[in-house]
Amino acid sequence: AQKITQTQPGMFVQEKEAVTLDCTYDTSDPSYGLFWYKQPSSGEMIFLIYQGSYDQQNATEGRYSLNFQKARKSANLVISASQLGDSAMYFCAMRPYGQNFVFGPGTRLSVLP
Amino acid sequence: ETGVTQSPTHLIKTRGQQVTLRCSSQSGHNTVSWYQQALGQGPQFIFQYYREEENGRGNFPPRFSGLQFPNYSSELNVNALELDDSALYLCASSERQGGSTEAFFGQGTRLTVV
Repeated sequence: AQKITQTQPGMFVQEKEAVTLDCTYDTSDPSYGLFWYKQPSSGEMIFLIYQGSYDQQNATEGRYSLNFQKARKSANLVISASQLGDSAMYFCAMRPYGQNFVFGPGTRLSVLP
Repeated sequence: ETGVTQSPTHLIKTRGQQVTLRCSSQSGHNTVSWYQQALGQGPQFIFQYYREEENGRGNFPPRFSGLQFPNYSSELNVNALELDDSALYLCASSERQGGSTEAFFGQGTRLTVV
């Protein structure tokens, strides 16, 4: 069975600092994608970054980078230079090939001025 | 902003009633999946449609049903509503099945069952 674990229910970070949100996953599928989504209070899931299971390099998208350690089955999200607008729920998700998304329980990030 | 639109954005229903939620997928996307997100939890997979056929279902009872139309838009129908059906319902569209493409989500429909 596929499972996503996010062990940090809530995180605080000072504005302009970097923060790492943890994510570990479990799957027996050899081909899968790993995703991070941001969900503000409005409810919409905003796509942040994607990492394929066969990608050799860690994904980066602007201030977001994904620290992918396949052997440890971890896919941590790093946000550099945090902004007040980064305050939201963050979900790690996995999508084995041909299947649906499996989401973790989420981490609530609060950026402090 | 994605091209995925859900309607309505909010609605209130009475226990035992039926509800239909709608989702228009992004242009060029042929796969739509639906998720239920209870308050304070991550989204849970309900089912997925690919080219008008259901091709995956989560642990939800048969009173949760759906359709996908030739233009790839989709409906989620819930019969005999229960209080626990109160949640945010999200639909996601993607270009094809698979793990190597991102999915674009709509803004969700907040359903309250009283």
